[in-house]
Amino acid sequence: GQNIDQPTEMTATEGAIVQINCTYQTSGFNGLFWYQQHAGEAPTFLSYNVLDGLEEKGRFSSFLSRSKGYSYLLLKVLQMKDSASYLCAVRDSNYQLIWGAGTKLIIKP
Amino acid sequence: SAVISQKPSRDICQRGTSLTIQCQVDSQVTMMFWYRQQPGQSLTLIATANQGSEATYESGFVIDKFPISRPNLTFSTLTVSNMSPEDSSIYLCSVVTGDGTEAFFGQGTRLTVV
Repeated sequence: GQNIDQPTEMTATEGAIVQINCTYQTSGFNGLFWYQQHAGEAPTFLSYNVLDGLEEKGRFSSFLSRSKGYSYLLLKVLQMKDSASYLCAVRDSNYQLIWGAGTKLIIKP
Repeated sequence: SAVISQKPSRDICQRGTSLTIQCQVDSQVTMMFWYRQQPGQSLTLIATANQGSEATYESGFVIDKFPISRPNLTFSTLTVSNMSPEDSSIYLCSVVTGDGTEAFFGQGTRLTVV
């Protein structure tokens, strides 16, 4: 079966750095996405990785290792507005997105 | 990029009735996706809506319960039929860019069935 694993909840301090991990087992791989979702809102796109390595976009970076079936989202200089759920999704061989359950990130002052 | 307008944003419906959700995209897209998201849970794909052909439904979802229309490349509707409280959820439409590197979502429809 297809499976995306990520921690249910994480807590971090404002100004700090946090890494949210995602491991996956899917039938084929055609890219990995990270999305941010604030409570009651639709997901918004953060990053896309299809090759191994690190993609940096401002305060957010995403890493991918296809051989390990592993990705992480790195958030730097955390702000209170970063409190949200972070969803990892993998596109499989049928080009369908398989979604993780999301990681709820709580930022404390 | 793509901007999706989804309506209604929320509704409270009586058991046994039906609700049609609309999504309008500001550009032409080949495939549109309809998801359901239970509170605190991940997104579950209901079906893929292709223009000019019948929608492709995922396991556990059937056309009689979730009929979909896709009259053109910028518009789609999802109907939740004969609703029960178990259908209470957030429903989201989504499209993927032509190069497949980004997916966009409508604002979501928060449905409560009483």
